[in-house]
Amino acid sequence: DTEVTQTPKHLVMGMTNKKSLKCEQHMGHRAMYWYKQKAKKPPELMFVYSYEKLSINESVPSRFSPECPNSSLLNLHLHALQPEDSALYLCASSQTGTGSSQPQHFGDGTRLSIL
Amino acid sequence: ILNVEQSPQSLHVQEGDSTNFTCSFPSSNFYALHWYRWETAKSPEALFVMTLNGDEKKKGRISATLNTKEGYSYLYIKGSQPEDSATYLCAFPSNFGNEKLTFGTGTRLTIIP
Repeated sequence: DTEVTQTPKHLVMGMTNKKSLKCEQHMGHRAMYWYKQKAKKPPELMFVYSYEKLSINESVPSRFSPECPNSSLLNLHLHALQPEDSALYLCASSQTGTGSSQPQHFGDGTRLSIL
Repeated sequence: ILNVEQSPQSLHVQEGDSTNFTCSFPSSNFYALHWYRWETAKSPEALFVMTLNGDEKKKGRISATLNTKEGYSYLYIKGSQPEDSATYLCAFPSNFGNEKLTFGTGTRLTIIP
């Protein structure tokens, strides 16, 4: 079982809807990530939070809005998405302050479909 | 844009046979090289994080080597089993904090019983 929990597992929404993806971890990790993965492509980094502060935004459109309410939770708020935003959205977490030697721990992902 | 390449893209291996595949990455500004296994309908699982040139790491029947001077890593699977069927991804951090991972396109391994 994964130690990073993502909800919902599947989401279908219209282009005018507002919805949120949620991610939770209780491993004490202080870095949390959102990735987008399209079919047959590798995961692409969207956002990184370090100690609850946004540290990396990979030029993601503003219709995606991340939020880190506390060290265990990471949300991704969605508004006015486009059909090309349909993808698997993965959350991950890792330890910080230890250089490059720590792996990232992934959730199972949310499969998002935009109608 | 970092270029992290994996080969082959896909591989079919008979159960019991051994196999290996490659990840190539930029040899300058090296911090670490990650390997992940991603089974269908599951989450990516970390296999190894390698940091030193000449590193060799092992986890059961799976092992990996690292050559940072020439920019490649090999992943080896000995005596393949059906449960080894998965996509194997390598990832290269472009910053010291390990946060900004660029993933390769993966090698999709299918074990034939």
